[in-house]
Amino acid sequence: KNEVEQSPQNLTAQEGEFITINCSYSVGISALHWLQQHPGGGIVSLFMLSSGKKKHGRLIATINIQEKHSSLHITASHPRDSAVYICAVKGGKETSGSRLTFGEGTQLTVNP
Amino acid sequence: DGGITQSPKYLFRKEGQNVTLSCEQNLNHDAMYWYRQDPGQGLRLIYYSQIVNDFQKGDIAEGYSVSREKKESFPLTVTSAQKNPTAFYLCASSIGWGVDTQYFGPGTRLTVL
Repeated sequence: KNEVEQSPQNLTAQEGEFITINCSYSVGISALHWLQQHPGGGIVSLFMLSSGKKKHGRLIATINIQEKHSSLHITASHPRDSAVYICAVKGGKETSGSRLTFGEGTQLTVNP
Repeated sequence: DGGITQSPKYLFRKEGQNVTLSCEQNLNHDAMYWYRQDPGQGLRLIYYSQIVNDFQKGDIAEGYSVSREKKESFPLTVTSAQKNPTAFYLCASSIGWGVDTQYFGPGTRLTVL
């Protein structure tokens, strides 16, 4: 079992829909990251969370430390949101310092 | 503009040849990382460097080598000992070791024929 599990693996939505991507982890962590990977391959950091909730534009990320679970929400989705969304945690059983453990990613496709 | 550059974007090599992937950053970051991405798998850490002239093996270092002679450069050599080198390679950097946010380069897709 991976230390970081994402669901769903693939998600197709219509423009305007509310989207939720989930991330569960099995180890104690100090921080959780949500990353976005565009079709060209480049990765950008969206959020870093250690507790609570963060919002940036139409993106909202939440984390529940007790339940070892985080969600990424996209409101009013748009075709330009189509990308792979990756969850990564810092502080897994075999990591130290800045080392991150990554989930497999969720491929999101938003159709017009 | 500050950022991380990787070159080339696409690279083709024959089996048995060593190949070096370039990674340069002008962010004045101390820490740099190399990851490998395969379909259906999360990013895996190959090597990392906390500071210039220092580097450490990651989770899948076999068949790879790195150097960190300059702060801004962290090249990765994929040697002929790497059994399955075809993959997407991503370089990243962070301000310092222990600082969470990593900045990623655009990646190099290596295909070994």
